[in-house]
Amino acid sequence: QQPVQSPQAVILREGEDAVINCSSSKALYSVHWYRQKHGEAPVFLMILLKGGEQKGHEKISASFNEKKQQSSLYLTASQLSYSGTYFCGTGLNTGKLIFGQGTTLQVKP
Amino acid sequence: DAGITQSPRHKVTETGTPVTLRCHQTENHRYMYWYRQDPGHGLRLIHYSYGVKDTDKGEVSDGYSVSRSKTEDFLLTLESATSSQTSVYFCAISEWTSGGETQYFGPGTRLLVL
Repeated sequence: QQPVQSPQAVILREGEDAVINCSSSKALYSVHWYRQKHGEAPVFLMILLKGGEQKGHEKISASFNEKKQQSSLYLTASQLSYSGTYFCGTGLNTGKLIFGQGTTLQVKP
Repeated sequence: DAGITQSPRHKVTETGTPVTLRCHQTENHRYMYWYRQDPGHGLRLIHYSYGVKDTDKGEVSDGYSVSRSKTEDFLLTLESATSSQTSVYFCAISEWTSGGETQYFGPGTRLLVL
């Protein structure tokens, strides 16, 4: 069952904040976040392994609510370089990842 | 970049012809994956391998087969290509660290089936 990401698309001005959500109908063992620039391969951002875990990567951080079976990616003080499509991948007990449909983020000057 | 290359990078073929895509890695990773990416669908797993000659199906395996005769190479074959298989294909490997499993992706192959 593919996780659901919201919103599908967001447009920001430089310096604004954004939140991208990833929800699953199944129990999650891990959540992986990736960013993909147009025409390029997805690039790993971070992995969250435990419920309640939070991680940060420069001005990009994420949280994982195991009970709610969801994760959120926080982008603060966005930069032009943050533009791209963000994917969450949810790890089930099979060890495989199931990816969401993606959220397109556009940061304008 | 986890030492992953894919070939060819671009291919145009006709319906009904066989097509083989190659994924090559240089760092002796055990797990390898093939995904396809289509607008609105994100990345969908086609097949994966957990060792030489050990493969299994993903969520969209119909019409595809794979082989892994060497650790470094994972081949994806479309036995008889159809227009619905027009897509971007990504290979990935798994790397385990203290932070958990991470998948790293190759540069992708753009396939157009006419």
